[in-house]
Amino acid sequence: EPEVTQTPSHQVTQMGQEVILRCVPISNHLYFYWYRQILGQKVEFLVSFYNNEISEKSEIFDDQFSVERPDGSNFTLKIRSTKLEDSAMYFCASSEHELYGYTFGSGTRLTVV
Amino acid sequence: EDKVVQSPLSLVVHEGDTVTLNCSYEVTNFRSLLWYKQEKKAPTFLFMLTSSGIEKKSGRLSSILDKKELSSILNITATQTGDSAIYLCAAQGAQKLVFGQGTRLTINP
Repeated sequence: EPEVTQTPSHQVTQMGQEVILRCVPISNHLYFYWYRQILGQKVEFLVSFYNNEISEKSEIFDDQFSVERPDGSNFTLKIRSTKLEDSAMYFCASSEHELYGYTFGSGTRLTVV
Repeated sequence: EDKVVQSPLSLVVHEGDTVTLNCSYEVTNFRSLLWYKQEKKAPTFLFMLTSSGIEKKSGRLSSILDKKELSSILNITATQTGDSAIYLCAAQGAQKLVFGQGTRLTINP
């Protein structure tokens, strides 16, 4: 069964450093998303991406965050200057159509120290 | 503000019992209601509901949407220890999913 692949599975970074989280969505999917889950809290929407541009973003997704689809297969989330409160599990998801169910990747656990 | 509320937050039952998990939502431009199972990491897709009153079934799991009451239930019959997980409800509005806080289900042998 097709999968959404995320790397790395765990990343530890120092406060203030830049991180890039990588995702390979399912190949025929057109809609891409990032969500995050702070330990013990709800899964929260960050951003949706379609046709090489952001289609919607949440209040969390401020100027420190950016997304990119650099080569037609990868979908990345960059956090420019990490803060302690960015520590969370980050999930990438993709969908064939905006009205279809999403497939989630296994997540990247980001720990900011 | 968009909101999804699940109840109960936690449920402990014995193997073989039947459980009902509840979800209510208030989401702008509502399109569908999704249920996911989260065991260790990634949420895995269970159901997507778009029409009111039509039950979807997959084995021992079933779910139904009530658009008038803005709610959905997930039923699991003849529970097994492998059903132990967090069950997430999410309402799809426009380009995003709004998640509930989840119901932690524990099945004791």
